[in-house]
Amino acid sequence: GAGVSQSPSNKVTEKGKDVELRCDPISGHTALYWYRQSLGQGLEFLIYFQGNSAPDKSGLPSDRFSAERTGGSVSTLTIQRTQQEDSAVYLCASSLVGVLAGGGTDTQYFGPGTRLTVL
Amino acid sequence: AQSVTQLGSHVSVSEGALVLLRCNYSSSVPPYLFWYVQYPNQGLQLLLKYTSAATLVKGINGFEAEFKKSETSFHLTKPSAHMSDAAEYFCAVSEGTGNQFYFGTGTSLTVIP
Repeated sequence: GAGVSQSPSNKVTEKGKDVELRCDPISGHTALYWYRQSLGQGLEFLIYFQGNSAPDKSGLPSDRFSAERTGGSVSTLTIQRTQQEDSAVYLCASSLVGVLAGGGTDTQYFGPGTRLTVL
Repeated sequence: AQSVTQLGSHVSVSEGALVLLRCNYSSSVPPYLFWYVQYPNQGLQLLLKYTSAATLVKGINGFEAEFKKSETSFHLTKPSAHMSDAAEYFCAVSEGTGNQFYFGTGTSLTVIP
């Protein structure tokens, strides 16, 4: 497909387990973003990639969260030792240029999200 | 620093009535402004964006928004609501030279038949 895809669509895990969430951006998009959407909350910025580098990691909630992007394409968001407050929908978006490249008007295209439930 | 405020987490309108969803922003530089829509069980879609061209921006599905610098607002409107407009709407701001987009907390629109 031509859109952003994320897997899994749903993930239920036990407290203390590690989880890995995957994002496949639109082909050719250099920028990739991770957000978290909790019940009743807006979109919380987590991390932004320009190519394979992450110039802004300020949104990561704690050191249990990490993300990487390889080959300028697929990205994985890893949450270690999950806690119940990590339960949320994790959204990935990609854009052609990215804001650091002067793409302030760059449109982000969102994936369907991964719903994470930590029991 | 940037921030976005969406007044009213829930808005209900009758089918055929005017839709008005409010968004106010704060930004130290001229902003870029966006409205996104999230239909039930679907991902976010861009409705429209303001990029310092015309202050009245037309988007998809009959929606439009007007950038008012004096009021620091970017309210979303549609003259006549349709049942299919029921969704969550998010306003977002970017300064362009920054490195992230800031989203509001969203407004859930219900359309009453």
